[in-house]
Amino acid sequence: QKEVEQDPGPLSVPEGAIVSLNCTYSNSAFQYFMWYRQYSRKGPELLMYTYSSGNKEDGRFTAQVDKSSKYISLFIRDSQPSDSATYLCAISGGSYIPTFGRGTSLIVHP
Amino acid sequence: EPEVTQTPSHQVTQMGQEVILRCVPISNHLYFYWYRQILGQKVEFLVSFYNNEISEKSEIFDDQFSVERPDGSNFTLKIRSTKLEDSAMYFCASLLAGNTGELFFGEGSRLTVL
Repeated sequence: QKEVEQDPGPLSVPEGAIVSLNCTYSNSAFQYFMWYRQYSRKGPELLMYTYSSGNKEDGRFTAQVDKSSKYISLFIRDSQPSDSATYLCAISGGSYIPTFGRGTSLIVHP
Repeated sequence: EPEVTQTPSHQVTQMGQEVILRCVPISNHLYFYWYRQILGQKVEFLVSFYNNEISEKSEIFDDQFSVERPDGSNFTLKIRSTKLEDSAMYFCASLLAGNTGELFFGEGSRLTVL
C-alpha cells in the first residue's frame, strides 16, 4: 500500500465552482499535513499547513484533516482560471520529511 | 518575502559528467532538503541535512550523490557521474525548525543528461 495516495485527475471545473481535492495516507504516525500548488515546471508553493484534525481556512482555501480516517482534503471556493495547477498533498511525521502524493491536476475553465 | 533560491535553472550535461546544483536556503532555517521530480512523476525525497550532516537519505541517494554546506549560506548537491535517468527537476527546500512541517521549496534546477 502506497504511503500517500492522490487521484492524478485531471479535474476540470467551471470558473466559480467549489473544488474538492483529496488524499489518503496509510501511516498513522503522520502528524503534519500540507498542500502545495505546483505550476508546470515550477517549484511546489506551500498553500496550507496543519498538524491537527479539523479545518483550517485561509481565504478561498480550506484544509481539512480527518486523522481517524487518514483522509485529508483541500477545498477551493470560487475557483479561478489562475487556480489551474497541480495540487500536491504532502504528509510527514516526526522526521519532518514530507512524503508527497502524485498530485491532482486541476483545470478551471472560464 | 524570504525565499529559497536555486542555480542553475537549467543545466544540460553529457552522461558521465559531474554536476553541482546550488541552493541558498532561507537564512534562518535549520533543516535543508533535496527532492527530485522526474517529468510527469511525483516529488521524491533524496536527502535531508541538519547541523552540518546528513540526517536522512533515501535509496535514490546512492554513492553518486553528495551534499555539502560549504559556507553559512549555500547548500549544494553533487552528482559525480551523471546517468540518463538522473534527468529531472531537482528541488531544494528548507525548514525553519524541527517542530513544524512547513517546507519551503525553491523553483528548481532542471537537469538534462544527454
